[in-house]
Amino acid sequence: GAGVSQSPSNKVTEKGKDVELRCDPISGHTALYWYRQSLGQGLEFLIYFQGNSAPDKSGLPSDRFSAERTGGSVSTLTIQRTQQEDSAVYLCASSPTGGRDADFGPGTRLLVL
Amino acid sequence: AQRVTQPEKLLSVFKGAPVELKCNYSYSGSPELFWYVQYSRQRLQLLLRHISRESIKGFTADLNKGETSFHLKKPFAQEEDSAMYYCALSRNYGGATNKLIFGTGTLLAVQP
Repeated sequence: GAGVSQSPSNKVTEKGKDVELRCDPISGHTALYWYRQSLGQGLEFLIYFQGNSAPDKSGLPSDRFSAERTGGSVSTLTIQRTQQEDSAVYLCASSPTGGRDADFGPGTRLLVL
Repeated sequence: AQRVTQPEKLLSVFKGAPVELKCNYSYSGSPELFWYVQYSRQRLQLLLRHISRESIKGFTADLNKGETSFHLKKPFAQEEDSAMYYCALSRNYGGATNKLIFGTGTLLAVQP
């Protein structure tokens, strides 16, 4: 079946602009994660959604970052007033339950000029 | 707090040599440990998890609670093993696991 998909695959934006990154998880997966992958930093946890529970936002680096998950399915990560240090690959993953066997999407490569 | 440490950013070995990718964790409860791999131009994917005690592509990893380690090993490296390897930890609350926390990754380069 279809895996996790993300769009756009690449995004170039100017400093100060807002961007929205989309994640379509595997159907039926209740857990959804966002991570940021950058050189030398590994996989940085951003936010975690599990079913109808309040999301774990403990990894969001600043209040410019926010995410929502509508109807327990599609998720959108929004970065407001982008900065050059936001440049990275943003990965989404989903899992039937929290933690185990997470399936990753291809990522969105964000470049802030 | 949960933390995963991979001390080596790069590990370079020759084909046929043994490989050990180190992973140490800190967590006071009962964790679940995983290894994920990312080959060039491919998605991050699960390689193995400690609860399965399985061998995948010749790789094994044993959870050592005394040393809080989950090192990934393979007796004879192959060129196709060259990839980025991430160790990950998840909390285990009575069977209902939680978010995955990753280490910074180790790039394995297998030379011919």
